[in-house]
Amino acid sequence: GQQVMQIPQYQHVQEGEDFTTYCNSSTTLSNIQWYKQRPGGHPVFLIQLVKSGEVKKQKRLTFQFGEAKKNSSLHITATQTTDVGTYFCAGTSGTYKYIFGTGTRLKVLA
Amino acid sequence: SQTIHQWPATLVQPVGSPLSLECTVEGTSNPNLYWYRQAAGRGLQLLFYSVGIGQISSEVPQNLSASRPQDRQFILSSKKLLLSDSGFYLCAWAERAPNYGYTFGSGTRLTVV
Repeated sequence: GQQVMQIPQYQHVQEGEDFTTYCNSSTTLSNIQWYKQRPGGHPVFLIQLVKSGEVKKQKRLTFQFGEAKKNSSLHITATQTTDVGTYFCAGTSGTYKYIFGTGTRLKVLA
Repeated sequence: SQTIHQWPATLVQPVGSPLSLECTVEGTSNPNLYWYRQAAGRGLQLLFYSVGIGQISSEVPQNLSASRPQDRQFILSSKKLLLSDSGFYLCAWAERAPNYGYTFGSGTRLTVV
């Protein structure tokens, strides 16, 4: 079945440093979504990417969808302590169900 | 605006006891509904999803079941809980199309003892 892997599993950064998490799917995706889960909370939708090679920005966050639509990345510039949490990608091959990635847990050291 | 309610927030149940978790959505009609489980420090595992009343798709064979008795109500059940059923259970809804992302409920932390 479809699998979605993320690397790294954990990342500790000093506040102000950049952070990137990578998402890889075993199958071609029709679109991909990104979520953030704060410690003790539930996942919150951040963004959806649909087109091959698409790049979207939200303030310090930059999201990319690969040309082959099998991988994606989330890059945070100049991390802040409010960025702490687990970031998940979720992809679908065109059905109603999204398969979530394994997640990357980000810790930001002040 | 749309809201999703999930309860209870925490639950401690003995092994072998039944389970019923309920989720309701307000402010939308015909949503796709989902149940996910998250083990401690892990990713989200899709358990069930529903595209309409009485329509349930099961993703993982286990001792859990789901039902959708009304358009905006989704119930997760078990007749006999196992220790391995412990986890963080999340209900979510999404528009049929286009999909603007899942909206998750606040979750239920289930501990089976």
